[in-house]
Amino acid sequence: EVQLVESGGGLVQPGGSLRLTCTASGFTFRSYEMNWVRQAPGKGLEWVSYINNSGGTMTHYAESVRGRFTTSRDNAKNSLYLQMNSLRAEDTAVYYCARVSDYGDCPVLDYWGQGILVAVSS
Amino acid sequence: DIQMTQSPSSLSASVGDRVTITCRAGQTIRTYLNWYQQKPGKAPKLLIYDASSLQSGVPSRFSGGGSGTDFTLTISSLQPEDFATYYCQQSHSTPYTFGQGTKLEIK
Repeated sequence: EVQLVESGGGLVQPGGSLRLTCTASGFTFRSYEMNWVRQAPGKGLEWVSYINNSGGTMTHYAESVRGRFTTSRDNAKNSLYLQMNSLRAEDTAVYYCARVSDYGDCPVLDYWGQGILVAVSS
Repeated sequence: DIQMTQSPSSLSASVGDRVTITCRAGQTIRTYLNWYQQKPGKAPKLLIYDASSLQSGVPSRFSGGGSGTDFTLTISSLQPEDFATYYCQQSHSTPYTFGQGTKLEIK
């Protein structure tokens, strides 16, 4: 069974840092691209970042987090990370990790974690 | 970035109704369009991929259509478990932007 479990969330002050971890099981983690998606309280889904499979040498970011957030992966530990620096109140959200699969050449987010809350407040 | 615009933002309907949600892309995305359903407190669930392909296990009352810039999600006969929020997402190019969501409520 495919499982994605996020951890590392919590309350942080503005300007602070936090690292989220997504631990994968039930599939060959190194073979899949991964995304982070977030959802502010009462708001819609916002795509945050992408990392390619294998060595994780390619990453892409939403403009809202570029330069502050870094996505990485450790395939030996079946883990995906989101390092968040210079956090702002508007980064408050539930953060989801999601697996990317190619369904007939169309990338889809076919499995999602349960989400983890990050709250940025003084 | 490719902007995705959904309409309506909210919709009230009754069990048994047929409903259609539309999604427009800011530029052509061919058929790289996916639909997700989200219920309160839960992660999104993939319903439709590649504009019109039904994800395994999703009831056949859900269908998708369109290509280029204009897409639809149709539920042929609403069931109580379908009341949720629906999002389109383009996967033509990163950032894989989402529409703003359509909240489907019971009338």
